[in-house]
Amino acid sequence: ETGVTQSPTHLIKTRGQQVTLRCSSQSGHNTVSWYQQALGQGPQFIFQYYREEENGRGNFPPRFSGLQFPNYSSELNVNALELDDSALYLCASRIGGKTYEQYFGPGTRLTVT
Amino acid sequence: GENVEQHPSTLSVQEGDSAVIKCTYSDSASNYFPWYKQELGKRPQLIIDIRSNVGEKKDQRIAVTLNKTAKHFSLHITETQPEDSAVYFCAASLGIQGAQKLVFGQGTRLTINP
Repeated sequence: ETGVTQSPTHLIKTRGQQVTLRCSSQSGHNTVSWYQQALGQGPQFIFQYYREEENGRGNFPPRFSGLQFPNYSSELNVNALELDDSALYLCASRIGGKTYEQYFGPGTRLTVT
Repeated sequence: GENVEQHPSTLSVQEGDSAVIKCTYSDSASNYFPWYKQELGKRPQLIIDIRSNVGEKKDQRIAVTLNKTAKHFSLHITETQPEDSAVYFCAASLGIQGAQKLVFGQGTRLTINP
């Protein structure tokens, strides 16, 4: 198992609400990426944070936002939840600028009703 | 933008036989190609990867080959075992200004029949 952890494990929200998901990266890893994995699909890149700055973003609307903290942990915030936001949210960490390998956390299963 | 196609979507092989999963990518600037194994309800697990300056890499029963000219790469699993049953994802990565965005294929559900 990797040292990447995520919380919570599962979450149920109502359409229109806001949610915050958390990720603790593997020790020594300064880069965190977030991915959305819909049922039966491959993960889709949301954005990446390197040294507390967003430095890459996929095709997701601005209501998906994030933060990275000085200890390299990270948050994913989603506003105005829609039914289609129901998915497994994965974070992955790596050593930015040195390595390519990304290691995933266990994910947060978000259900929007 | 980058697009990754993965085939087949499902694959069933007898225990002990080999399995091959193929992927093609669209952006010739892609420079890193990992493979992930995802068991039901678990996180994607990196099992092997290859960089664009290498044509083949092997790790015990698992090997990956890369053809940059044709823009395709493949995962080979030999002497398959029941614990190899899982969904396998290929990905291609394009590093731009430090950002390493993984673009994933749709996945292959591999079933090993005893």
